[in-house]
Amino acid sequence: KNQVEQSPQSLIILEGKNCTLQCNYTVSPFSNLRWYKQDTGRGPVSLTIMTFSENTKSNGRYTATLDADTKQSSLHITASQLSDSASYICVVSVDFNKFYFGSGTKLNVKP
Amino acid sequence: NAGVTQTPKFRVLKTGQSMTLLCAQDMNHEYMYWYRQDPGMGLRLIHYSVGEGTTAKGEVPDGYNVSRLKKQNFLLGLESAAPSQTSVYFCASSYSMPGGNTDTQYFGPGTRLTVL
Repeated sequence: KNQVEQSPQSLIILEGKNCTLQCNYTVSPFSNLRWYKQDTGRGPVSLTIMTFSENTKSNGRYTATLDADTKQSSLHITASQLSDSASYICVVSVDFNKFYFGSGTKLNVKP
Repeated sequence: NAGVTQTPKFRVLKTGQSMTLLCAQDMNHEYMYWYRQDPGMGLRLIHYSVGEGTTAKGEVPDGYNVSRLKKQNFLLGLESAAPSQTSVYFCASSYSMPGGNTDTQYFGPGTRLTVL
């Protein structure tokens, strides 16, 4: 069964601290993996897209890593800001029209 | 450049009523999608379109119909609404092939639908 599981489900951190969100997947064959940020009441916004051959990709304070052998990805947020409070969604693509969405990690950054 | 817009933003229906959700994009994207998002679950693909005049079923198509008569619009219809269709519906569009390595989907703000 193809699955994308994210952990933790929710996370509270203090402003300025770093954090790492996890995404484990079992889908196969793998095409690419994306991380989205979804603010409350808004649609998801793409942060990164990673292919099988990429290990790391950065977008400002966001750094995504991928280990295709262990089928794990992580999203590291550096020097968190209040505006980082959102849900972060991992999406794994298998082929032409198959995407598997994780249920997301809800991050709350407190001052 | 408005990106992806959805109307309405909120709607309450009674069981058995019908309605149409409208999605519009001004980025000249070929591909458009409809998703539903339920609490504690990931987004699930309902239907998608790879170009004007085309539609295809996604993961959870039952109870929904779609049409893509114009490239910039993608309509989602509920012919006989059921409480199980209470959800937040998101439309998205993309320039390149779904699942392609350069594919970035742009999402609309969502429509919150409640079926009583």
